[in-house]
Amino acid sequence: QVQLQESGPGLVKPAETLSLICTVSGDSISGYHWSWIRQPPGKGLEWIGYIYSSGSTDYNPSLKSRVTISVDTSKNQFSLNLSSVTAADTAVYFCARGLSRNYNFFDFWGQGTLVTVSS
Amino acid sequence: DIQLTQSPSFLSASVGDRVTITCRASQGISSYLAWYQQKPGKAPKLLIQVASTLQSGVPSRFSGSGSGTEFTLTISSLQPEDFATYYCQQINNYPLTFGGGTKVEIK
Repeated sequence: QVQLQESGPGLVKPAETLSLICTVSGDSISGYHWSWIRQPPGKGLEWIGYIYSSGSTDYNPSLKSRVTISVDTSKNQFSLNLSSVTAADTAVYFCARGLSRNYNFFDFWGQGTLVTVSS
Repeated sequence: DIQLTQSPSFLSASVGDRVTITCRASQGISSYLAWYQQKPGKAPKLLIQVASTLQSGVPSRFSGSGSGTEFTLTISSLQPEDFATYYCQQINNYPLTFGGGTKVEIK
């Protein structure tokens, strides 16, 4: 059974960089899309971006200037960096796996981690 | 970006009721739509992909239909564990987008 686990600071100061890691267990990271999705408290879901195991990426244009997603296949991990954060970036951040190369529906998710942006 | 509009945004129903949720896309997305169930404090769970394919392990009371711009999620007989928020998601175009959600509560 594939499992994903987010890790990283729960509190980030305004204007700093939010950094999270997603560790994948139970399967290889190779051959799939791996996404970050966020959910502000009490609100809906927003796709942030994905990385394919080869390293190719695509980001939501609304965040593209501030987002970097990278992968470390040797550690079966991928990571999110979101720069210049504001209170609007406060959210639960999920990592998730795309179902297949052609169908980027999310079949496995991490439990989510709340990141609060505050001084 | 493709906008997904779900209706209703809130639904009050009883155990045993038949429930239908609609997701409308701002442009045609073929069948590239999924439905998720999310319970409080949990990650979303994939129920249906490519509009009508039930994920393994999902009860058969859940069904999906539609193509193009209009899609529906139907729960044939609502069970206590089905009270949750439901989201649609499209993969036809990037950026991937989700609907605003439909909260199903106990009447």
